[in-house]
Amino acid sequence: DIQMTQSPSSLSASVGDRVTITCRASQSISSYLNWYQQKPGKAPKLLIYAASSLQSGVPSRFSGSGSGTDFTLTISSLQPEDFATYYCQHSYITPLGFGGGTKVEIK
Amino acid sequence: EVQLVESGGGLVQPGGSLRLSCAASGFTFSNYGMSWVRQAPGKGLEWVSGFSGSGHSTYYADSVKGRFTISRDNSKNTLYLQMNSLRDEDTAVYHCAKTKRTSNDWEFDYWGQGTLVTVSS
Repeated sequence: DIQMTQSPSSLSASVGDRVTITCRASQSISSYLNWYQQKPGKAPKLLIYAASSLQSGVPSRFSGSGSGTDFTLTISSLQPEDFATYYCQHSYITPLGFGGGTKVEIK
Repeated sequence: EVQLVESGGGLVQPGGSLRLSCAASGFTFSNYGMSWVRQAPGKGLEWVSGFSGSGHSTYYADSVKGRFTISRDNSKNTLYLQMNSLRDEDTAVYHCAKTKRTSNDWEFDYWGQGTLVTVSS
């Protein structure tokens, strides 16, 4: 099975900060990498699919990059509504796998 | 508007069974892959099982293989998860999720709010 490792597991940031979250796959997954945002008590929300494609309706301050084994989610200017937990997910092959999550908290 | 509404969760003893349902609306259900994804209390997301975009092939996580069975009734726009031989570690909120595309891809663009399954004696 492909293992997904996210870092950091948590971070503190201020409104307006640039935030970067990384995700590493245990083997190459080409660009089969997706990013989700989850707020407490809510269902996950798709932000980025296929490593760098922005899901419809998602603000352009979110961007994704990478291919192979190393991927990045960037929030260019953190907004109050962005405080949440973020998960990467590979969709290369079943079983699908999620990273452990990165909790973005208010500094 | 796409809606996914799960039901069927509850408290069950170890070794027991439960069947979850996910009622879908707002899209052509038969055209899309569907999956179950769970989240144990305070933990991350774990993919459990799914139908591919073709709607015919089924897949399972190793942790549930042989115990859980996914099925769908396209005439009722409903996804199911039959869970047998339940264990304490199956305790979680179970979400159903719809794939974004009709091809055999596994990005999930809509999720239900989930139904809580608690396995405890």
